[in-house]
Formats: sequence, structure tokens, C-alpha cells
Amino acid sequence: SQQGEEDPQALSIQEGENATMNCSYKTSINNLQWYRQNSGRGLVHLILIRSNEREKHSGRLRVTLDTSKKSSSLLITASRAADTASYFCATKLEETSGSRLTFGEGTQLTVNP
Amino acid sequence: NAGVMQNPRHLVRRRGQEARLRCSPMKGHSHVYWYRQLPEEGLKFMVYLQKENIIDESGMPKERFSAEFPKEGPSILRIQQVVRGDSAAYFCASSTGLGGNQPQHFGDGTRLSIL
Repeated sequence: SQQGEEDPQALSIQEGENATMNCSYKTSINNLQWYRQNSGRGLVHLILIRSNEREKHSGRLRVTLDTSKKSSSLLITASRAADTASYFCATKLEETSGSRLTFGEGTQLTVNP
Repeated sequence: NAGVMQNPRHLVRRRGQEARLRCSPMKGHSHVYWYRQLPEEGLKFMVYLQKENIIDESGMPKERFSAEFPKEGPSILRIQQVVRGDSAAYFCASSTGLGGNQPQHFGDGTRLSIL
């Protein structure tokens, strides 16, 4: 399996519900980041959590990081139809240069109105 | 305050031709990254450049692919003698490079189709 695997691959919920996506990774990281990608567009940075942090919030987003389990979760509360997109976790590995990121395969989130 | 600009947005080439993809980083960003994305997959790192220097090209295929980031002008990803398997979306990202805890800002990509 690859560094940065998201789970589930696809998630379909109703507007107003919460959406939780998980990400697992294999090697030591400096930080873990979540990005969003709308169809046909580039990636938009959502949140960055450093390896010494356990939880971060940004608006309706909540990210947790458990370095002992090498996993992270992204929670979107009170989802909206506009949240429909693919969500990717990306890790900055300790041994790689600059800000090079290693991406997972993504979770396709569909929020039904 | 323009973001990362990539052009063209769509590029169609025939097998054997050359493809040139351009990326202008965000203002103030001196670090550029190129990634490739196949349909329904995540992004795969290709190359990391600073002005006039290739820092990490471990994700680049050994043949036909090259990248540059000159002192003046955009970063260029060049694919020579394209093959069908080169069809993908190519994304450029930039960052300030001030330490490793900086988010990357992405362009909208170039979708390359090989006939």
C-alpha cells in the first residue's frame, strides 16, 4: 500500500450531516496536510497539522493527527452541497527536501442536497 | 494577487511530438513543484525546483522528461516524443520554501491528451 491512503474511497451523505475521512501513512512525517480538489481544477489547501500537534480546527473543518497510529482524520461538520469534491491527504516526509508532498489516492465526497 | 498560473489548460499532441507546459508561481514564491495526476488517482511528485536549480528530480522519468526554472520567466516541464501513457493532468505548485511547514499553492493544471 502507498504512503497516504485515504479511507473511504467514496462517501455520499446528505446536506447537514457530518463527513469523516481518514488517512493513514507509513513513514515519519514533518506535517500532514489536507487538500480539496473540485472536478477539473487544481488543489486547494485546507489545513496543515504539524507532527507535534494533535488537533486543528478551521471553520467547519477539524483535523486530528495520531502519530503513534500514523493516521489522521478530516471531519467536515454540517456539510453543504458545495463541499462535494475530492479530498486528499498529503504528507511532508522527514527525509524529503523542501515542501515536497506525498499524496494519497483521495476520498470522493458527494453531499446530496 | 494572482495565484499559480499554468498554461495551456488543455494540450493535445500526437505521438512523437513535444509538449511544453508552463507554470508561473505565486508572487514571492521561489520554489516550484510539478506533479502528475492520472484519472481517479492522487498526485504523484515529479520534480522540485528553485530558481536555476533542480533540487529533487527523483519522480521524473529518466527519459524524455525535463524541467527548468530559469532566472527569468516561468518554470517549464518539457516532454519529448510523447506517448499515449503521458496523457494526464500535470499540476504545478509553489511555496515560499521557508522551512518544510509551508503549504503549497496549486495551479489549475494542464490536461495533456495524446492522440
